[in-house]
Amino acid sequence: KQEVTQIPAALSVPEGENLVLNCSFTDSAIYNLQWFRQDPGKGLTSLLLIQSSQREQTSGRLNASLDKSSGRSTLYIAASQPGDSATYLCAVRDRYGQNFVFGPGTRLSVLP
Amino acid sequence: EAGVVQSPRYKIIEKKQPVAFWCNPISGHNTLYWYLQNLGQGPELLIRYENEEAVDDSQLPKDRFSAERLKGVDSTLKIQPAELGDSAVYLCASSLEGVGIGGPYNEQFFGPGTRLTVL
Repeated sequence: KQEVTQIPAALSVPEGENLVLNCSFTDSAIYNLQWFRQDPGKGLTSLLLIQSSQREQTSGRLNASLDKSSGRSTLYIAASQPGDSATYLCAVRDRYGQNFVFGPGTRLSVLP
Repeated sequence: EAGVVQSPRYKIIEKKQPVAFWCNPISGHNTLYWYLQNLGQGPELLIRYENEEAVDDSQLPKDRFSAERLKGVDSTLKIQPAELGDSAVYLCASSLEGVGIGGPYNEQFFGPGTRLTVL
């Protein structure tokens, strides 16, 4: 059974710092991996989707990498801003392209 | 383009009462998901529809939960009777499943969720 973990559970950084969020999964045979952002009391907003054949995806200040063999993905946020404060979740889709398994999220606070 | 729409946004009921949640996916999306999210945790899949067919409902507590997606568009999730432990956020998501010129596309998009409180 696929299990997804995210470390750290919470992170606080000063504005302007570059930071890395980690996502680990136990079954490396995945279909794709998706990173989301969730603001308090809101739904999930899709940030980046990485297919199993890809190594990374970039969108603005965000860069997500995928290393299937080691069961890891990282989300890199450059030049963090207070508006980046939210919970970041990763979700792994199983090898058959069927179900998503979510991690518990990393709660990020960017201090002005 | 309108996103995934859910209603109501909040619902407070007493235990043993029924409750229903409604979801309208992004137009053209063939796959619809219902998730449950407890505080401080990631969403957990309850049921997944491909068009009007429920292809995975293994995590749906069928003794009290039911869902339908008539005509393969909008969907309703029902709980009857509700229990105290059902208090959570119920999220709906949709995706367009398939393979295009640039590769497979299957990005999930979420609605704002319904926060249920059972007293």
